[in-house]
Amino acid sequence: DGGITQSPKYLFRKEGQNVTLSCEQNLNHDAMYWYRQDPGQGLRLIYYSQIVNDFQKGDIAEGYSVSREKKESFPLTVTSAQKNPTAFYLCASSLTGGDGPYNEQFFGPGTRLTVL
Amino acid sequence: DAKTTQPPSMDCAEGRAANLPCNHSTISGNEYVYWYRQIHSQGPQYIIHGLKNNETNEMASLIITEDRKSSTLILPHATLRDTAVYYCIVRGYTNAGKSTFGDGTTLTVKP
Repeated sequence: DGGITQSPKYLFRKEGQNVTLSCEQNLNHDAMYWYRQDPGQGLRLIYYSQIVNDFQKGDIAEGYSVSREKKESFPLTVTSAQKNPTAFYLCASSLTGGDGPYNEQFFGPGTRLTVL
Repeated sequence: DAKTTQPPSMDCAEGRAANLPCNHSTISGNEYVYWYRQIHSQGPQYIIHGLKNNETNEMASLIITEDRKSSTLILPHATLRDTAVYYCIVRGYTNAGKSTFGDGTTLTVKP
């Protein structure tokens, strides 16, 4: 059963701690993305990766870091430098990082991070 | 990527067609229009996309104006399960897959 998974669904951390959110896909997609969503708002792009060992900053990358050592995995670390980390985090993948037909993004179920 | 403008909310009666508009007046020639929806606390779900021709699939129809500056997503027979936030985005080669999601339209289907 192909898809994109994120774990855990809910995550609680103390202020000042780094935390890593997992994102795995078995769709053989080249491109992967991380978004942040705050209540009542749309999605904002944090980082994206078009290919293994390469990634680019999105619109709100400050306080976050990523790695793309394997095609199927794109973990996101929320560092202590992120001033307001409590949010809903969504991971997505697409066939390629470019565009064209049939290049829609597939989203995971999300991780809700709460920093206490 | 071109920015999009959508009404913040819409209501629709169950069983009737839901027509969700989107303005993308700065769209460029190689940018596609994509529609997604997000049911509360879940990841967005792809619905449909198009370049310049009208498109239809099992979920919806997409009507793109001739000048491509606006589009309409049509859910032909809305059900209560179609209540969600609908996002219209445009994507093109120049931004290599970056997608900017606005605040979308909250569609409420009422019995």
